[in-house]
Amino acid sequence: DQQVKQNSPSLSVQEGRISILNCDYTNSMFDYFLWYKKYPAEGPTFLISISSIKDKNEDGRFTVFLNKSAKHLSLHIVPSQPGDSAVYFCAATYNNNDMRFGAGTRLTVKP
Amino acid sequence: KAGVTQTPRYLIKTRGQQVTLSCSPISGHRSVSWYQQTPGQGLQFLFEYFSETQRNKGNFPGRFSGRQFSNSRSEMNVSTLELGDSALYLCASRFWGTDTQYFGPGTRLTVL
Repeated sequence: DQQVKQNSPSLSVQEGRISILNCDYTNSMFDYFLWYKKYPAEGPTFLISISSIKDKNEDGRFTVFLNKSAKHLSLHIVPSQPGDSAVYFCAATYNNNDMRFGAGTRLTVKP
Repeated sequence: KAGVTQTPRYLIKTRGQQVTLSCSPISGHRSVSWYQQTPGQGLQFLFEYFSETQRNKGNFPGRFSGRQFSNSRSEMNVSTLELGDSALYLCASRFWGTDTQYFGPGTRLTVL
């Protein structure tokens, strides 16, 4: 069962603009959410996370928003840079259980 | 601090064979998880080991097995390989009790 869903397989934005990547989840037990970035031929790299007690977490150009009532989280990248082009995975977990990942969104930032 | 390492990086096998993949976690991390990544499927959880014991298991057939050694290094074994087992196999480690996992570069398995 797909408990974490990323419905957009790809996203293309212009350099300098905002990138918004979305993620939905179905399991209300999830209490910790993460975003990973993956370049080809490399493993996923941890980007940013958020606990369910917060609704926003910011780290430089990256901000993650969590809407618990809608079971939705999003990753905002501002401003987007060509080096941000990669596949982004959202993930969710709770209480030492296994981490569930979305299918990923391929972001392309055009110069 | 060295990251998660996986060996080999690339592997080609034929149907019916078996394969063993290895993962060395970040020093101090005692939890190791394995994932299978195929195009369009994201990362599918295989299993997680902590203190040499399997703690969590995903929905994969019994052909997929793993183990963890006392030094926290882990191996994953796939027996009777099928064409559909062709994938990138990723290993991740973490401190038990924390949520952030750190991934290795993966092993690309191709089954012919």
